[in-house]
Amino acid sequence: QKEVEQDPGPLSVPEGAIVSLNCTYSNSAFQYFMWYRQYSRKGPELLMYIYSSGNKEDGRFTAQVDKSSKYISLFIRDSQPSDSATYLCAFYGGATNKLIFGTGTLLAVQP
Amino acid sequence: GAVVSQHPSWVICKSGTSVKIECRSLDFQATTMFWYRQFPKQSLMLMATSNEGSKATYEQGVEKDKFLINHASLTLSTLTVTSAHPEDSSFYICSASLMLRGETQYFGPGTRLLVL
Repeated sequence: QKEVEQDPGPLSVPEGAIVSLNCTYSNSAFQYFMWYRQYSRKGPELLMYIYSSGNKEDGRFTAQVDKSSKYISLFIRDSQPSDSATYLCAFYGGATNKLIFGTGTLLAVQP
Repeated sequence: GAVVSQHPSWVICKSGTSVKIECRSLDFQATTMFWYRQFPKQSLMLMATSNEGSKATYEQGVEKDKFLINHASLTLSTLTVTSAHPEDSSFYICSASLMLRGETQYFGPGTRLLVL
């Protein structure tokens, strides 16, 4: 079983749609849960950060962590063409001092 | 805040030459810096972790003599790809963390390397 699973997409939605992105993980030692956005040929940008569990909202973005199911989600409301990018989930915790990334989901928001 | 820059943004070089990539934290002191490599349509692969003033810790399978990392100050780390070959062509991204732990990393814009 992979440590992190993320559907690579591509996911295509019309402008204004609600987007749901998610990742599953197997390492119960993870304590930090992140979502990064990466535009083509650019470095990742930290979008959301949750420690331990729960929900967090920032503007049109909502992140959720369900540790019992080992499942994290990112919701984007009122999606815009400028949201078109690759979204990477990332995890941290346990014995190693490094982020574990998902493979990324490519999102295209059609105007 | 938490801005990380990389230079150059892209570089083309001949096979056998060495290429140096700089990573700078512009508005904070980075206790730890990380170097990643990313192939097209793939996720980031951690190459090494470096702390200021100490030797870098390389991930399994990454040749430390091939990819030289120097973390001379709390705001600057460099990656030198020595004797570059076409298979070294990739997107190299650095990140910086405020803390020894790496749970919050701020990424640079990346450097695209093409070795001919």
